[in-house]
Amino acid sequence: AQRVTQPEKLLSVFKGAPVELKCNYSYSGSPELFWYVQYSRQRLQLLLRHISRESIKGFTADLNKGETSFHLKKPFAQEEDSAMYYCALSGRIQGAQKLVFGQGTRLTINP
Amino acid sequence: EPEVTQTPSHQVTQMGQEVILRCVPISNHLYFYWYRQILGQKVEFLVSFYNNEISEKSEIFDDQFSVERPDGSNFTLKIRSTKLEDSAMYFCASSESRFTQYFGPGTRLTVL
Repeated sequence: AQRVTQPEKLLSVFKGAPVELKCNYSYSGSPELFWYVQYSRQRLQLLLRHISRESIKGFTADLNKGETSFHLKKPFAQEEDSAMYYCALSGRIQGAQKLVFGQGTRLTINP
Repeated sequence: EPEVTQTPSHQVTQMGQEVILRCVPISNHLYFYWYRQILGQKVEFLVSFYNNEISEKSEIFDDQFSVERPDGSNFTLKIRSTKLEDSAMYFCASSESRFTQYFGPGTRLTVL
């Protein structure tokens, strides 16, 4: 079964502090992992995906297959990072890729 | 930058009525999806569509649901006889390849 767990529904940090949003997954094959973000009154948008190994808006995420985790990190939080963050998994090798989402973490950056 | 659009933004209907939610995917995309999010719960996959047929559907996508791409641009989700528990935010998404799905702004469906 495919499952994504985000243990924190709410996370609040101060501006300039490091941020880590946790994501654990359950999947028997080789998954593709994503982080989606939803800013206030905006649509879901892709933040980053593990296969591209890129840093977007200062965020990075490393896939740890041993721990089945894909935590999202940023060394210095900014107020504009306040948003809802969803970790998602996709498992199909070909064709249309359904996404399995975690519950989401609402990140609030305090000034 | 092209975006996925959805109409209406909010639909209110009576229980037992049929509703059609409309989506216009990004024009060169080949894969289309519907998801829903009940208030306070996670985003759930409903159905994927490729090459004019359903690729995969979830357990939620029962006989009361159907999808269609009637004219090569629109992608619709029909709920034949709405139930109270169908109240949710419905998201359409499209992708050019298997990597990145682009989401629409959603349609909030309220069933009374």
